[in-house]
Amino acid sequence: VQLVESGGGLVQPGGSLRLSCATSGFTFNAFSLNWVRQAPGKGLEWLSYISTSSSVIYYADSVKGRFTISRDDAQNSLYLQMNSLRDEDTAVYFCTRDVGYCDGNRCYRWIDNWGQGILVTVSS
Amino acid sequence: DIQMTQSPSSLSASVGDRVTFTCRASQDISNNLAWFQQKPGKAPKSLIYAASTLQSGVPSRFSGSGSGTDFTLTISSLQPEDFATYYCQQYERYPLTFGGGTKVEIK
Repeated sequence: VQLVESGGGLVQPGGSLRLSCATSGFTFNAFSLNWVRQAPGKGLEWLSYISTSSSVIYYADSVKGRFTISRDDAQNSLYLQMNSLRDEDTAVYFCTRDVGYCDGNRCYRWIDNWGQGILVTVSS
Repeated sequence: DIQMTQSPSSLSASVGDRVTFTCRASQDISNNLAWFQQKPGKAPKSLIYAASTLQSGVPSRFSGSGSGTDFTLTISSLQPEDFATYYCQQYERYPLTFGGGTKVEIK
């Protein structure tokens, strides 16, 4: 299993950036995925979830309305479009793979694999 | 949102020590808890899910326990490669939330 992020870099406040996560070693369309970030010297913050077939999407309040998660099953890739970037969005961004199970109407998914992370710096 | 609180925030220990740290959820999360290990400059590594099930390849000196709101991660005999920061995370409901981490340092 491999997840490799790309697309990070330096961007000015108010700018946009699109992160990509290229994957290999597993059947991409069978797994749900997340983006998680870590500000310098800080803890981990979950940002967004996308289910198989993109049928269910969730966002953290901190990025809702500014970030958009998407996936391309043909390309085995996950994306995060980040708009209206702020200084506080400066962080290392990780893509992660979920595994889990469903029990009746509830599904429970936990992270089992992480990408190496990509740095996004928002600064003027 | 479910708040996750880890304690202590850091601890000093020696190789061979048994160490235990805790994670508390602000509401009942059943056993929907994961633990991760992160070394400086590296991505987190998944250790445990369902509060007590080890991910494949994780050494048996790691163990997790708990249910409801209180959880623990124990390392039975600390090894040099175990000095790292450990995070808990609930997956009972979205938004997924992480604890603030426990940093294990060399005494």
